[in-house]
Amino acid sequence: GENVEQHPSTLSVQEGDSAVIKCTYSDSASNYFPWYKQELGKGPQLIIDIRSNVGEKKDQRIAVTLNKTAKHFSLHITETQPEDSAVYFCAASQSSGAGSYQLTFGKGTKLSVIP
Amino acid sequence: DGGITQSPKYLFRKEGQNVTLSCEQNLNHDAMYWYRQDPGQGLRLIYYSQIVNDFQKGDIAEGYSVSREKKESFPLTVTSAQKNPTAFYLCASSIAQGANTEAFFGQGTRLTVV
Repeated sequence: GENVEQHPSTLSVQEGDSAVIKCTYSDSASNYFPWYKQELGKGPQLIIDIRSNVGEKKDQRIAVTLNKTAKHFSLHITETQPEDSAVYFCAASQSSGAGSYQLTFGKGTKLSVIP
Repeated sequence: DGGITQSPKYLFRKEGQNVTLSCEQNLNHDAMYWYRQDPGQGLRLIYYSQIVNDFQKGDIAEGYSVSREKKESFPLTVTSAQKNPTAFYLCASSIAQGANTEAFFGQGTRLTVV
């Protein structure tokens, strides 16, 4: 099955700096890569996703890049703000075969933005 | 408001007891999922259902059971066979089988065995 590795597990940045979280996946059939943000005591919420036919996607201060050859994808947050502090999860899924459409999650990155 | 609702928010269980966690959605989604979240472990899939009256085991189904009698509802029972049930449980739904689309999560239920 799919295996998703996420790094780092914790990340502290100064307000206004950029934050980068990286994930690798094992199954070359995976073609959907969402990122979720989880605030304390709440359920995760989708912040951005990317499909395998696209190399980069941007939404205001958030961007995701995908390198299918290397099987890794990254989340970039620019001009970080205190409200960006949360746990971020990457995930991967595929559209065919056993376990298709099931999201496999990374273990999460706790981001702290220091005012 | 459309969304996915989990109840209760906090649940305490004595050892040896079964407990049932509720998950209801009014998004008209076909697919529903249960995940378990432990510190430093990410989200692990317990069970999923892609259509009413059908469900499949996920990666850590042992000690859990589910039912899907209605499209809107996907309750999870944590049985006494689950050796370490204390965790944060998340229910999710997505639009349809066969589509890589956004999963919407509930607010979670924190289960503690006392």
